[in-house]
Amino acid sequence: DSGVTQTPKHLITATGQRVTLRCSPRSGDLSVYWYQQSLDQGLQFLIQYYNGEERAKGNILERFSAQQFPDLHSELNLSSLELGDSALYFCASSVWDGGLGDTQYFGPGTRLTVL
Amino acid sequence: DQQVKQNSPSLSVQEGRISILNCDYTNSMFDYFLWYKKYPAEGPTFLISISSIKDKNEDGRFTVFLNKSAKHLSLHIVPSQPGDSAVYFCAASGGLNYGGSQGNLIFGKGTKLSVKP
Repeated sequence: DSGVTQTPKHLITATGQRVTLRCSPRSGDLSVYWYQQSLDQGLQFLIQYYNGEERAKGNILERFSAQQFPDLHSELNLSSLELGDSALYFCASSVWDGGLGDTQYFGPGTRLTVL
Repeated sequence: DQQVKQNSPSLSVQEGRISILNCDYTNSMFDYFLWYKKYPAEGPTFLISISSIKDKNEDGRFTVFLNKSAKHLSLHIVPSQPGDSAVYFCAASGGLNYGGSQGNLIFGKGTKLSVKP
């Protein structure tokens, strides 16, 4: 158990809908990262928050957004869902702002299926 | 353009023998490298890491070697056990990958290791 929790574990929804994925980092970790794993793309970085502030953005679609709350949990919002958004979404956390020696620990993931 | 490459999608090894998983990278700004193990329907589990100032790091049965001049790293598992059967991901961080942050990880596509009893 990495100490990172994610809810829900599974989510099935329809095209055009909006969903929210939740992540609670390990105790003491200030950074939260979101990654997407689809069948043919591997693990792709979406976005990072550090102590409540957006720190870096990867290949995140404009339909997707995230935030980190004062208690450091984070939510990833996915809207106007398309079939191609079906994937595993992982959250990771680390102590600092990333970089040398700052290991990321991953949650169990949320499997999103868009029908 | 893939910055981290794992060229072997799969590897099969006999129990008790050595497993060697390879990873190549192209970005010379990477300064921290990690290996994760992943079982189906679970999140990646951190195994071992190495910083760019070292060329070897050991943790029990796992050893990671870094060859900076060749931009190559490898994970050795000795002895291999059936419970090691999983997908192994190589990841790297450092430099200015996205938006000025050095933190986000760039992953290879993984190597599926099968350890046969």
